[in-house]
Amino acid sequence: AQKITQTQPGMFVQEKEAVTLDCTYDTSDPSYGLFWYKQPSSGEMIFLIYQGSYDQQNATEGRYSLNFQKARKSANLVISASQLGDSAMYFCAMREGGSGNTGKLIFGQGTTLQVKP
Amino acid sequence: NAGVTQTPKFQVLKTGQSMTLQCAQDMNHEYMSWYRQDPGMGLRLIHYSVGAGITDQGEVPNGYNVSRSTTEDFPLRLLSAAPSQTSVYFCASSYADTILMNTEAFFGQGTRLTVV
Repeated sequence: AQKITQTQPGMFVQEKEAVTLDCTYDTSDPSYGLFWYKQPSSGEMIFLIYQGSYDQQNATEGRYSLNFQKARKSANLVISASQLGDSAMYFCAMREGGSGNTGKLIFGQGTTLQVKP
Repeated sequence: NAGVTQTPKFQVLKTGQSMTLQCAQDMNHEYMSWYRQDPGMGLRLIHYSVGAGITDQGEVPNGYNVSRSTTEDFPLRLLSAAPSQTSVYFCASSYADTILMNTEAFFGQGTRLTVV
């Protein structure tokens, strides 16, 4: 069965520094996608970044990058130059690919990030 | 574009009452899903649909029903509310893509449900 594990319930980072949020996953499917979502205190879910299992390069989106280590089954989110507005809950999620893609997402437990001024 | 619209945003129910959480999307997405979010447990899948007329159970389906008569709408019904169903509920939709998977799920604003 597919599983996502986020082992850091809470993290602190100083403003303008970089921070890494950990995510490990488990799946027997060779085709899958990994997503990171941000949930601020207002509650909405905001898509940040995507990594496909066959992608050769790590995904990047502005200040967000994904450190994808396929052999270790990890997909850590790196936020560079943290801003106060980055304080939020962050979720790692996985979806089956290929013919198994039904839109279902498996989520980790989430990591609460607090950025200190 | 309105995206994914959920109603209501807040609801208080008494144990045993029934209600329907509404979800509508205007992006012509084939895939729609319902999740519940509980503290420390992330989001868990309740039910999902890959198209009109097709639904299936997720991880925590007990106590909930769904139907999908149109592409746009995917209502979630609580049959007889219980305090254990106190949670935040999210509806999500995405394109069907079996080749390129970079099709993000779009989420509604969530419904905060309290069952007393």
